[in-house]
Amino acid sequence: DTGVSQDPRHKITKRGQNVTFRCDPISEHNRLYWYRQTLGQGPEFLTYFQNEAQLEKSRLLSDRFSAERPKGSFSTLEIQRTEQGDSAMYLCASSLRLADSYNEQFFGPGTRLTVL
Amino acid sequence: DAKTTQPTSMDCAEGRAANLPCNHSTISGNEYVYWYRQIHSQGPQYIIHGLKNNETNEMASLIITEDRKSSTLILPHATLRDTAVYYCIVRVGGKFQFGAGTQVVVTP
Repeated sequence: DTGVSQDPRHKITKRGQNVTFRCDPISEHNRLYWYRQTLGQGPEFLTYFQNEAQLEKSRLLSDRFSAERPKGSFSTLEIQRTEQGDSAMYLCASSLRLADSYNEQFFGPGTRLTVL
Repeated sequence: DAKTTQPTSMDCAEGRAANLPCNHSTISGNEYVYWYRQIHSQGPQYIIHGLKNNETNEMASLIITEDRKSSTLILPHATLRDTAVYYCIVRVGGKFQFGAGTQVVVTP
């Protein structure tokens, strides 16, 4: 399977615990994106990387959230001191960014987080 | 805020064409329009994209108005498996800005 993969697919945690999600993009893709989606809403942008550089972060990304892409391949999204409002689907996407080209993003299946 | 507006929902009979409208009146000259769909509990799936010209692929057709302020996604022969939320997206900077999308229900 050469698509975007995410792990775990489901995570249940208690309020106040830390959680970490992993995303493996399509191998030759240089851009990687994180989105959050709550019930009935479209995905909301959180942050994205080009190679290992984090180029943009949404104001939705509070200081409890941190994302890394240390070697420009896989990425992790960590949420510290989880709150019930963090319950959502966390989606990862990747794309191959070429100069002056369109930018089709390929999405993974998501990690569903439930904070009790 | 999303740069696109879409109807909240629409129904379509199986075998008929589904025409999904989208307004993107503030689109810039070099911004592409993308369409994705999301079937329940899965990640969004790419359908088609366009800049100025109409586009067609094995899944759908995309009609973009001459002034580029709106577009229509056409599913030529809707099947039950096409039931999903359909998103019309204009990229803002390096990222997609999703709206709430159109819930399409295909009925037998």
